[in-house]
Amino acid sequence: GENVEQHPSTLSVQEGDSAVIKCTYSDSASNYFPWYKQELGKRPQLIIDIRSNVGEKKDQRIAVTLNKTAKHFSLHITETQPEDSAVYFCAASRDSSYKLIFGSGTRLLVRP
Amino acid sequence: DGGITQSPKYLFRKEGQNVTLSCEQNLNHDAMYWYRQDPGQGLRLIYYSQIVNDFQKGDIAEGYSVSREKKESFPLTVTSAQKNPTAFYLCASSRTGGFNYEQYFGPGTRLTVT
Repeated sequence: GENVEQHPSTLSVQEGDSAVIKCTYSDSASNYFPWYKQELGKRPQLIIDIRSNVGEKKDQRIAVTLNKTAKHFSLHITETQPEDSAVYFCAASRDSSYKLIFGSGTRLLVRP
Repeated sequence: DGGITQSPKYLFRKEGQNVTLSCEQNLNHDAMYWYRQDPGQGLRLIYYSQIVNDFQKGDIAEGYSVSREKKESFPLTVTSAQKNPTAFYLCASSRTGGFNYEQYFGPGTRLTVT
């Protein structure tokens, strides 16, 4: 069935360093790839998304890259700050299915 | 925190009892979703609905039931048939229209069954 694998499960970086989280999806028809951030005890919130017609998208310190051939996509956070500490989830979906398949999450810790 | 609400925040039940979790949204979204979140795991889809009076099973629908009688409301019932009901339950909603749109999540309900 449809599956999204996410690595690493935990990631610890020094403040100011970059963090990279990688996801691989199984459904080749997937064309929408959002990333959600969930702070402790709070609801997940969308931080960035990408559609399959582009290879990269940036929003300030956050960027997402997509490799359709290899069926993987990555989240890049530059100049990390302590407030970036959270659990990050990737997901994949086909347009019009509205069904998101989530990865298992990455717990990011940014050390001051 | 308007937009999509869930109640209650914490819920305790005895084993063998059915329990209904509330989810309401005032975003005028057509689609609504229920996810289950367990420690160390991602969000798993229980049920989703793209339009009133219609809903589809997700990946882990066994032991759960839903209804979608109103656009604004999508209650989830956790039945006694659900073997491991203790979990954090998240409701979400989104626009529809051919493309995928952002899913907005509620604050969640933490259910404990003993």
